[in-house]
Amino acid sequence: DQQVKQNSPSLSVQEGRISILNCDYTNSMFDYFLWYKKYPAEGPTFLISISSIKDKNEDGRFTVFLNKSAKHLSLHIVPSQPGDSAVYFCAASAWVGNTPLVFGKGTRLSVIA
Amino acid sequence: DTGVSQDPRHKITKRGQNVTFRCDPISEHNRLYWYRQTLGQGPEFLTYFQNEAQLEKSRLLSDRFSAERPKGSFSTLEIQRTEQGDSAMYLCASSLERAGNYGYTFGSGTRLTVV
Repeated sequence: DQQVKQNSPSLSVQEGRISILNCDYTNSMFDYFLWYKKYPAEGPTFLISISSIKDKNEDGRFTVFLNKSAKHLSLHIVPSQPGDSAVYFCAASAWVGNTPLVFGKGTRLSVIA
Repeated sequence: DTGVSQDPRHKITKRGQNVTFRCDPISEHNRLYWYRQTLGQGPEFLTYFQNEAQLEKSRLLSDRFSAERPKGSFSTLEIQRTEQGDSAMYLCASSLERAGNYGYTFGSGTRLTVV
């Protein structure tokens, strides 16, 4: 059973526009959520996180929104840049981030110049 | 300390052979994780250590897999009697106590191909 779901395998966005990547989760015990970015032949790189006590966290061009009642989070990238082209993974953890991260399958973002 | 190091980067082995991978975490990190990633999937949790203690093992970690972290520093992951289904990217990550606000730092992975 997939506890973290990223239902869009790919997304294509024009440079300068907003990229919105979505993630749903099923485990109500999750209380920490993270986004990772992965380039080919590299390990995933931590991007941004949010705890369940917040509904928004912003870091530069990246903003994560959390809707606990819907068990849904999203990552917004504004403005999108060609260097943002990568696979983005949503991940979640329980017990104040103590349990091992559970990852979604990822969404491949392509930013077109 | 430049991050999490994994060795080797690539490994091709014949079915039935044993392989061992090494991970050197960030020195101040006391947690070390092993994940496996196959094509089209996200990283799947295998096992993790807090210092030298192995605290959790996934059901994905069959009896052919064993991981160690002697002295709470580097870790090794051994796969015995490899099968073609073991072909994957094996990722190591480290963190302070828990994911918190900073997540895990991942290495570049070891890509295993079983022929």
